[in-house]
Amino acid sequence: DAGVIQSPRHEVTEMGQEVTLRCKPISGHDYLFWYRQTMMRGLELLIYFNNNVPIDDSGMPEDRFSAKMPNASFSTLKIQPSEPRDSAVYFCASRVSTGINTIYFGEGSWLTVV
Amino acid sequence: AQSVTQPDIHITVSEGASLELRCNYSYGATPYLFWYVQSPGQGLQLLLKYFSGDTLVQGIKGFEAEFKRSQSSFNLRKPSVHWSDAAEYFCAVGSRGGKLQFGAGTQVVVTP
Repeated sequence: DAGVIQSPRHEVTEMGQEVTLRCKPISGHDYLFWYRQTMMRGLELLIYFNNNVPIDDSGMPEDRFSAKMPNASFSTLKIQPSEPRDSAVYFCASRVSTGINTIYFGEGSWLTVV
Repeated sequence: AQSVTQPDIHITVSEGASLELRCNYSYGATPYLFWYVQSPGQGLQLLLKYFSGDTLVQGIKGFEAEFKRSQSSFNLRKPSVHWSDAAEYFCAVGSRGGKLQFGAGTQVVVTP
């Protein structure tokens, strides 16, 4: 079975540019999470959705960050404008609401803003 | 508020030796506890989880963890490590239907 699929895997962009990260959750999963991982702050939950609706976005750093989930099989995390301090690995994860709620992670999008 | 503490940032162990990674949590209700492993350049993979029942849980790759409510701990163990176990290990706590809180991680280095 396909896991959580993220794209791009790696991106290098210049400061001020818009960055869009994409995620396809596991089919049938109704929760989707966006995490950010840095050396300084570890794993941080940015936002999560349930049935395509944002439930908690308290971890989104500032207005430059936005996330959408237009349908059950696709989500985006957008940074506009990007800054060097946004350099990090961004993980998408998903889980199903019934039964044991194990979260499954994608392989991450490695973002470098220069 | 829930929180997770992994006291050891970095552990070095010899191949074939035993390994124990510590995890302490703070949670107001019955916790759901997880251990994940992250190899370099990879995402997080679930090793094992605890929700209820037997306090000693078995996971993949020969790992096990023991839930001790009195100590608010969920330590991860492996009797004999392999070079491929070199990775970063994360403990996480959450509630049914809720989000996970991750610890800061423990980096494991395996020496020959």
